[in-house]
Amino acid sequence: GAGVSQSPRYKVAKRGQDVALRCDPISGHVSLFWYQQALGQGPEFLTYFQNEAQLDKSGLPSDRFFAERPEGSVSTLKIQRTQQEDSAVYLCASSLAQSGTAFFGQGTRLTVV
Amino acid sequence: DQQVKQNSPSLSVQEGRISILNCDYTNSMFDYFLWYKKYPAEGPTFLISISSIKDKNEDGRFTVFLNKSAKHLSLHIVPSQPGDSAVYFCAAIHNAGGTSYGKLTFGQGTILTVHP
Repeated sequence: GAGVSQSPRYKVAKRGQDVALRCDPISGHVSLFWYQQALGQGPEFLTYFQNEAQLDKSGLPSDRFFAERPEGSVSTLKIQRTQQEDSAVYLCASSLAQSGTAFFGQGTRLTVV
Repeated sequence: DQQVKQNSPSLSVQEGRISILNCDYTNSMFDYFLWYKKYPAEGPTFLISISSIKDKNEDGRFTVFLNKSAKHLSLHIVPSQPGDSAVYFCAAIHNAGGTSYGKLTFGQGTILTVHP
């Protein structure tokens, strides 16, 4: 597609429920990032993939957070046993090269009730 | 520890005047800086960037200035237009000569409102 696509756009989850957020990067983009943006804050880094390899997951806040990109294209961010503090906008970004400009998707707004 | 700080949560400017958005950083390893613009319900979009080997980069109405000794950068928009109203994020990378993978560290954002 023309840009980074994320789905769903909005997700309401009951506390304790598992959720899966999808990211379709720009075709051919090697690098893929996930960021978490809390209300009134800037995005914060979660994890980075180069093709299918997860090279940095230092930003994942707990072992309830898991990300994958099995074929080096689409990525999924999974959050198990969601908690209220997980409520945020989750942004996916991709870039063509290792240090290229990152292009962001519209984000998924997760609300945990 | 907030490594990139935007101390002004909001800025209001008259159409046609200059908008100046400020950003400070603490990590001296940062060597590449970017500004992103974000409209409501959309993802951030890249606006302009600057490498630490430069002190100024200009693109149309947008100019970014970098003061390395002060660890400070600013974005100037001249002339400001109502369509510039958005949240502006400053971001920094430890680029390491292009060998790093481009992990962005963001500031908190500044809401710019340009009045007609």
